[in-house]
Amino acid sequence: ETGVTQTPRHLVMGMTNKKSLKCEQHLGHNAMYWYKQSAKKPLELMFVYSLEERVENNSVPSRFSPECPNSSHLFLHLHTLQPEDSALYLCASSQGRGRVRNEQFFGPGTRLTVL
Amino acid sequence: QKEVEQNSGPLSVPEGAIASLNCTYSDRGSQSFFWYRQYSGKSPELIMSIYSNGDKEDGRFTAQLNKASQYVSLLIRDSQPSDSATYLCAVLSGGYNKLIFGAGTRLAVHP
Repeated sequence: ETGVTQTPRHLVMGMTNKKSLKCEQHLGHNAMYWYKQSAKKPLELMFVYSLEERVENNSVPSRFSPECPNSSHLFLHLHTLQPEDSALYLCASSQGRGRVRNEQFFGPGTRLTVL
Repeated sequence: QKEVEQNSGPLSVPEGAIASLNCTYSDRGSQSFFWYRQYSGKSPELIMSIYSNGDKEDGRFTAQLNKASQYVSLLIRDSQPSDSATYLCAVLSGGYNKLIFGAGTRLAVHP
């Protein structure tokens, strides 16, 4: 595997389900990110982890719960979602905070549909 | 005021022409600027980064930055139908690598 991978690629869930999205980066980076991309809206940053510490929580509802067990893996745990949470969820990674030239590389995304 | 602004398009150009995509940003302290290309149904792909005023060229792509005017642009020379995509401008802002994205400009290159 190379770059940033995400599983599953597609997910359909009911509002009462609990599911998790997984992201893995193979780039040796220290920072990982979750973004949400809804139709007709700009990419929205959800969470930032730097060296496994959460450093940004962009006013995301508690029904989204991130977890970063190490610098290569990132999870997004989902529970009691709403239909408006249907979107493309993107994971990204970069060298780490404090670096001016901090290019972020994205995974392929998980297309989530909440029924 | 939006933090990163782009014309949503679509910008339609004939094959072989130069496509010019523009972006303005509000944070004067920003130092890092990126262009991503996103095909329909796919994730964003980094195509250019620029950190200093002036031009940066990479193949058919040229990024231009003017920090005084808070303006960054992307030129695509010899446009091809395969360049048809949405181009996202992104600006690094804040101390925790917060990347602020514009809404994107849709480019359509027609044969």
